[in-house]
Amino acid sequence: SQQGEEDPQALSIQEGENATMNCSYKTSINNLQWYRQNSGRGLVHLILIRSNEREKHSGRLRVTLDTSKKSSSLLITASRAADTASYFCATDAYGYALNFGKGTSLLVTP
Amino acid sequence: GAVVSQHPSWVICKSGTSVKIECRSLDFQATTMFWYRQFPKQSLMLMATSNEGSKATYEQGVEKDKFLINHASLTLSTLTVTSAHPEDSSFYICSARDRNRGLEAEAFFGQGTRLTVV
Repeated sequence: SQQGEEDPQALSIQEGENATMNCSYKTSINNLQWYRQNSGRGLVHLILIRSNEREKHSGRLRVTLDTSKKSSSLLITASRAADTASYFCATDAYGYALNFGKGTSLLVTP
Repeated sequence: GAVVSQHPSWVICKSGTSVKIECRSLDFQATTMFWYRQFPKQSLMLMATSNEGSKATYEQGVEKDKFLINHASLTLSTLTVTSAHPEDSSFYICSARDRNRGLEAEAFFGQGTRLTVV
C-alpha cells in the first residue's frame, strides 16, 4: 500500500534556484529512495539513504532523513531546466516492494 | 549496473483483446518481481508481487483474473492484461530484485509500457 506523501505536489522555480521537496511516511523502513521520472517515461534512481543515515549527498542532490519524524527531504541545488520532472520518494521495508509517494512535479523555467 | 528490460514500450490494442507485457532481468537473477501501474499525473501503485516459480500475490483491489502474472523463470516475468478495456489504459512498470543478495538488494526498474486500449 502506498505510504509516502510528498509536498509540495507542484513546484515552479527559476533556473539557479534551489528546489526542496519533502516526503513523509508511516511505517518502519530499511531505507528511503528518491526517483525522478520525466513525463511518460521510466524511473531514474537518484539516491538511497539508509535508516541509520541522516544526510547524504550526490552531486547537486542532498537528502536528509529523520526517522523520528518519519520524514525525508530532497534538495536540488542550482536547478536547471533539465531538472524539470516528477520526483518520487519510495520507502523500502526490508526487501519487499517499494512504496511510492504521490510525487512532486517540478518545473524549472529558464 | 543491473538492467531490467521491459517490452513493449508502448502498445495500442482494441477493447476485448489481451496484451502481454514482458519484463526481463538481463544480468541478474530476479527472484522477486513487482508490477506497478501508474495513471497520468499520479504515483506508482503496486499491483502484484511475484516470486519465481510460485503464484503472484495481488494487492487489494487488483483482479488476478484480469491481470495474469507469470514468473516462470529467474529472468522473466510477464503481465497479461486480459480482455482489455479503455479503463485499463495506463503506464505499467515492472521492477525486479534479487533477494539472494539480501534485504538491501537494489530494485531495478524496467522502462515501462504505455498501454492504450481503444
